[in-house]
Amino acid sequence: EAGVAQSPRYKIIEKRQSVAFWCNPISGHATLYWYQQILGQGPKLLIQFQNNGVVDDSQLPKDRFSAERLKGVDSTLKIQPAKLEDSAVYLCASSPRLAGVSYEQYFGPGTRLTVT
Amino acid sequence: AQSVAQPEDQVNVAEGNPLTVKCTYSVSGNPYLFWYVQYPNRGLQFLLKYITGDNLVKGSYGFEAEFNKSQTSFHLKKPSALVSDSALYFCAVRLYNFNKFYFGSGTKLNVKP
Repeated sequence: EAGVAQSPRYKIIEKRQSVAFWCNPISGHATLYWYQQILGQGPKLLIQFQNNGVVDDSQLPKDRFSAERLKGVDSTLKIQPAKLEDSAVYLCASSPRLAGVSYEQYFGPGTRLTVT
Repeated sequence: AQSVAQPEDQVNVAEGNPLTVKCTYSVSGNPYLFWYVQYPNRGLQFLLKYITGDNLVKGSYGFEAEFNKSQTSFHLKKPSALVSDSALYFCAVRLYNFNKFYFGSGTKLNVKP
């Protein structure tokens, strides 16, 4: 089966500009996650969707970050305006369903964002 | 608060030797534990998981991990390391009925020929 797709793979922007990342999860996976991975750290959950509804966005900086998953399939994460500290790899992951006890997550290749 | 600790930023082993990457956790319920590997410029790749049952779980590429409830640990092991095992390894925990994963900070494994 096809894996989690993300684009672009790399993005360089100046601070105060805006940027958007796209993710297409594995077909049939109801749960979608966006993570931020800063160099030298583990992934930090930004937002979690179950179908097209938000399950957890407690760590999403809502003054500048937004995300949507309108049709319960692919998703977009946006940053506006970007700050230097937003430089990181943004990972998208999916899993079959929310309540599945044993399901692991399947990760995309990530988007490396550099803010200058 | 739930947390995962990987006490070693880096582990160095010689090819052919056994390797251990350590992970300890702190959770307020029954944990489900996972190991992921990350190669340069790639996403995380699932290695193995502990849900219930036998404390020794076997996963991909010859890796295994031992769940120790009394020590709240879930160390990753391999009997004989390969140079191609060199990568970044992440331990993660999630709780029953919660689909939120908590990741450790990662351990860089260097296997030298």
